[in-house]
Amino acid sequence: QKEVEQDPGPLSVPEGAIVSLNCTYSNSAFQYFMWYRQYSRKGPELLMYTYSSGNKEDGRFTAQVDKSSKYISLFIRDSQPSDSATYLCAMISNSGGYQKVTFGTGTKLQVIP
Amino acid sequence: DADVTQTPRNRITKTGKRIMLECSQTKGHDRMYWYRQDPGLGLRLIYYSFDVKDINKGEISDGYSVSRQAQAKFSLSLESAIPNQTALYFCATSETGQGDGYTFGSGTRLTVV
Repeated sequence: QKEVEQDPGPLSVPEGAIVSLNCTYSNSAFQYFMWYRQYSRKGPELLMYTYSSGNKEDGRFTAQVDKSSKYISLFIRDSQPSDSATYLCAMISNSGGYQKVTFGTGTKLQVIP
Repeated sequence: DADVTQTPRNRITKTGKRIMLECSQTKGHDRMYWYRQDPGLGLRLIYYSFDVKDINKGEISDGYSVSRQAQAKFSLSLESAIPNQTALYFCATSETGQGDGYTFGSGTRLTVV
């Protein structure tokens, strides 16, 4: 079983829709939770990070963490065609003094105009 | 100029050849990383370096070596390339490795034939 599970998609939605992207995890040691966006032929770029349970908002994006259920989500409101990308969740645990980062495999999102 | 620059962007090489991928960063960060990305497997850590004198193996270091020539430069070598090393390779840098996240380069697409 992978430490981090993420539905690969693809997920296709109409412009303006609310998008929900999710990851589940099995390692209770994960302390930081991040979402990256990766456009085709580009490196991942950090969208949001959080370290506590609850919600964090940044513009049209909301990151949600539920540590009791080992579940994180990224919500995108009023989705735009420019949001079309692959979204990676990432989680950090301390492992022998090193902050180990485990990435999800990514969910491909397409927003149709 | 990009914060993290990788060269080359694309490379096709033959089995058994030695190849070097280069990375330079202008963020001024001490921490640098090499990842490979494969469909369905996500990002996997090859090597990481916390400063010029500190080099550490990641989860998939076999067949690879690295050199940290300066704070800003971190190169990855494939000593004798094999076809299953065909992948997208990313260099990244971070300040603390925690919630600040990673800054990735645009990647090198390597094909071993």
